[in-house]
This record gives sequence, C-alpha cells and structure tokens, in this order.
Amino acid sequence: EVQLWESGGGLVQPGGSLRLSCAASGFTFSTYAMSWVRQAPGKGLEWVSAISGSGGTTYYADSVKGRFTISRDNSKNTVSMQMNSLRVEDTAVYYCAKAGKWFGDSKVFDYWGQGTLVTVSS
Amino acid sequence: SYVLTQPPSVSVAPGQTARITCGGNNIGSKSVHWYQQRPGQAPVLVVYDDTNRPSGIPERFSGSESGNTATLTITRVVAGDEADYYCQVWDITSDHGVFGGGTKLTVL
Repeated sequence: EVQLWESGGGLVQPGGSLRLSCAASGFTFSTYAMSWVRQAPGKGLEWVSAISGSGGTTYYADSVKGRFTISRDNSKNTVSMQMNSLRVEDTAVYYCAKAGKWFGDSKVFDYWGQGTLVTVSS
Repeated sequence: SYVLTQPPSVSVAPGQTARITCGGNNIGSKSVHWYQQRPGQAPVLVVYDDTNRPSGIPERFSGSESGNTATLTITRVVAGDEADYYCQVWDITSDHGVFGGGTKLTVL
C-alpha cells in the first residue's frame, strides 16, 4: 500500500524559512517522480514543484522559482522542499504527491499524502 | 501560461448524470487527468490520460474529450460523490503542472 506522510509545516513569519519533508513507503521510491502541490485556504489546487526519480531534473512553478528548492534522498525514501523568503501568499496546505506516468506531457499524480499546513504570518 | 477553465459549480439530483467540463486551448492534444477532493481530505485520482480509470474507481466515472473541452462524467450520482473536482494537465512548453480552478459538485 502506497503511503505518503508530510511533516515540517507550521507558523513562520514573512521572510522566514521552512523545510517540508515527505516520507514514502509501499513502492520503489527511486523509480517515480515526486511532486508538491499546495492549496490555500478555501482555494483550489496549485502545482508547486516536482523532481524526477533520480533527482536529476527539477521543476518549479513561477511563483516559487528561486525561493523553493526540491530535493530527494532515495536511500531514505524521502522528498523535501526547502522554502525560503516565505510570503503571506505561500500560506497553504502542502501535499506531497507520487507521480504515476512521467513522460512527455503525460505527467499525473496518482497518490497523495494528507498534507501539512504552512502559515506565513506576522 | 496555460489555463484550464472549469465551471465553479454543478448540481445534480441523486441517480442522475453529472458532467463537469474543463476547457483549454488545444486540450485535445494533451493528456487530461481528473481528481476528486472530498471536504477535508486529500485529492484522489479518478481519471487519467483522458479516459482511463485507476483501479478501485467505479465505472460510473468516465472521461472524454471533444474539441477544446475535456469532460468528466459521473453516472448514477450518489451523495458520496459530492466533492470538488479538478482537471490537470502538464504544459510541455513551460514544463509546469496546471490545475483547473475546480468544480464543486452538489448532490441535491
């Protein structure tokens, strides 16, 4: 059974930093790309970042590029996201998602964690 | 950047058919995926690559495409189908994931 468990959320002041982690189990972790998707309170889903199975390729939404860094440790089955220069508009539940297919334009997220809440406020 | 447009809400009576649309430029050339998100829960994939259902998803859920619109169809709707539904594509030009704004399905 695929399981994804996020941690690291919390309250941080604007301009501050936070590191999210996602522990995965139930599949061959290094074979699959992983992604972060966020959801602001009462709003829709927003794709944030993704990383290939090997970790060699990373992808970022324009809204976070240069501030967030995604990484993975295939020996520990974890994916992380370092979030710097946080803004009030980064407040959201952050979901870790496993990719199913990941080639060409067929990139889909087939399993999701329960999410971790990040609140950016003074 | 690529934009996906969904109606904010759709209402349907139990036992009827719900159709949720997702519009985008030349969407027929892209692989469209659909997610269900019940209140307070994480999203669940219900259709991938336009028309395919993951294991465990009822046959009542189906996807289709025509022109510049993708459609998620839910037949014989039940109260448990009440949720927000999101379409998603990958924009190969920008190498970004893109979600539609979401549609709230209300079962009357």
